[in-house]
Amino acid sequence: SQKIEQNSEALNIQEGKTATLTCNYTNYSPAYLQWYRQDPGRGPVFLLLIRENEKEKRKERLKVTFDTTLKQSLFHITASQPADSATYLCALEEAGTASKLTFGTGTRLQVTL
Amino acid sequence: GAVVSQHPSRVICKSGTSVKIECRSLDFQATTMFWYRQFPKQSLMLMATSNEGSKATYEQGVEKDKFLINHASLTLSTLTVTSAHPEDSSFYICSAPRDSAYEQYFGPGTRLTVT
Repeated sequence: SQKIEQNSEALNIQEGKTATLTCNYTNYSPAYLQWYRQDPGRGPVFLLLIRENEKEKRKERLKVTFDTTLKQSLFHITASQPADSATYLCALEEAGTASKLTFGTGTRLQVTL
Repeated sequence: GAVVSQHPSRVICKSGTSVKIECRSLDFQATTMFWYRQFPKQSLMLMATSNEGSKATYEQGVEKDKFLINHASLTLSTLTVTSAHPEDSSFYICSAPRDSAYEQYFGPGTRLTVT
């Protein structure tokens, strides 16, 4: 069966450290993998997109890697801040599905002082 | 970035009544919009794809006669929950991709409570 799993339900780290979130998938062939941030009671906000032929993407303090052999994406937030506290969702889009996204289970990140 | 709005943000209705939720793309046209449902502490589950000018496409297990979708224009899609029951209480979110971009822009969500 198809599954998208994110490493842990919750992750607590200290301010200034690097947060690393994992997204693993089975029985998908994604053309794109995306990461979103969701705050409580709000809709998700797009962060980064990486294509199947890309290994790494960066945007400011964010970095995403994509390993189609391992079927895994890693999402890094460097120099984390309390304002980074939120739930982070990975989402896959398979080729030919006209932008249809399937979301992972989400990881709730808490950054403490 | 692109803006997607939803109305209402919260609604409480009695069991057996119908509720309409609107999703609007404010600064771009969207031929396709998506409707998701999210239960507490769970991820987003795609319910259906709303297509401007044609019928919506529903995901497996979603009753099309219960969740009516109308994509009336290039900026508006509506989801009507008919004969709502308490188990339909959830957070409903819409999204739309803009142009040929692959990222999606999400609305702020609608919290539906059926009593």
